[in-house]
Amino acid sequence: DTAVSQTPKYLVTQMGNDKSIKCEQNLGHDTMYWYKQDSKKFLKIMFSYNNKELIINETVPNRFSPKSPDKAHLNLHINSLELGDSAVYFCASSQVQSAEAFFGQGTRLTVV
Amino acid sequence: QKEVEQDPGPLSVPEGAIVSLNCTYSNSAFQYFMWYRQYSRKGPELLMYTYSSGNKEDGRFTAQVDKSSKYISLFIRDSQPSDSATYLCAMRGRAGNNRKLIWGLGTSLAVNP
Repeated sequence: DTAVSQTPKYLVTQMGNDKSIKCEQNLGHDTMYWYKQDSKKFLKIMFSYNNKELIINETVPNRFSPKSPDKAHLNLHINSLELGDSAVYFCASSQVQSAEAFFGQGTRLTVV
Repeated sequence: QKEVEQDPGPLSVPEGAIVSLNCTYSNSAFQYFMWYRQYSRKGPELLMYTYSSGNKEDGRFTAQVDKSSKYISLFIRDSQPSDSATYLCAMRGRAGNNRKLIWGLGTSLAVNP
């Protein structure tokens, strides 16, 4: 049983397109995150939702819009994709008071 | 200065060696300290978690936190080729803006048979 699952695993798309990445967790956690990991492997938080409410919104272009329909899902929609958006995007979840975050397998996005 | 500093390596050691991985940090409000392991093309997975200062041991892995020096370490004894991965430190405080998890760059480790 996968704890944090995200789809798709790989995404290759052209510049200017709009794409979405979906994430679901079955751990009963109330906090979910989107992270971006660039080619240098640096992991940077983008957004965090607690009980469907946005609590962390780092400085990311407004082309990136998260949506949390319920506590178990956090999707990421990206408009007008650019070459610099190429990275691995990780979804994660945790209990608010817990230090432990569980990560999905990542979505490798390549913009050509 | 970054809030969390970690030497990215790469670090290459022979099988059986003792490995020492380290991070330094600047925010004295940090109280939760974690080490994650990330295999190639996988998501990070939690390896060790320590609250405040002290040592924690789990099999071949030992995590140490020295809050007075703002320095944390992960030791791997009898290292195995399967330990080859990137090791990321992460830490956070208890409340408010300090609750956000801050990550190191990760250290790439290769254990050679």
